[in-house]
Amino acid sequence: GAVVSQHPSRVICKSGTSVKIECRSLDFQATTMFWYRQFPKQSLMLMATSNEGSKATYEQGVEKDKFLINHASLTLSTLTVTSAHPEDSSFYICSARRTSGTDTQYFGPGTRLTVL
Amino acid sequence: GESVGLHLPTLSVQEGDNSIINCAYSNSASDYFIWYKQESGKGPQFIIDIRSNMDKRQGQRVTVLLNKTVKHLSLQIAATQPGDSAVYFCAERSGGSNYKLTFGKGTLLTVNP
Repeated sequence: GAVVSQHPSRVICKSGTSVKIECRSLDFQATTMFWYRQFPKQSLMLMATSNEGSKATYEQGVEKDKFLINHASLTLSTLTVTSAHPEDSSFYICSARRTSGTDTQYFGPGTRLTVL
Repeated sequence: GESVGLHLPTLSVQEGDNSIINCAYSNSASDYFIWYKQESGKGPQFIIDIRSNMDKRQGQRVTVLLNKTVKHLSLQIAATQPGDSAVYFCAERSGGSNYKLTFGKGTLLTVNP
């Protein structure tokens, strides 16, 4: 159990367009999901915490109007990168924490975003 | 600010040897720690976790040791295999109800056949 999926796995878009990334917990309910960004050879940096049915909590320095997060159900959170620019190119990873049970976060496979 | 760091950015071992990956943390309020393995182009994979009320926990071929006195965490991998080659991250939860994790910089483990 504890499988998290992301879609798409890779996306290439033109500068100025918006891209939506989905994160799903496939076999468990997740009240809380997290969105991370990872640049090459670097660690994961938390962008925001997403709670089902409420507004996301963004980390310092992350623009909430640029990175729109929606957590509409206990199994789905979406991250929309609006008006993407080349500097937004990165590896975006989500994680999910079970509604009940442990504190463990289970990660999705990541989405590679390339903005041309 | 609070941070989680690693002593060694790279580690190269021979197949069959035991590997030890170290991690230092600075937040004495952290109550939960996790080790993740990340292969190239993939998301982090949970390996093992430990709570602050424990000092050792064992899994399959892996052992995590926690020394709260010196704020040190280590991951031991027994009989390291080529498939263990990856970047290993430690992560800490600083307590409270937000469940946020802070990740260390990562250690690249290379297993030579």
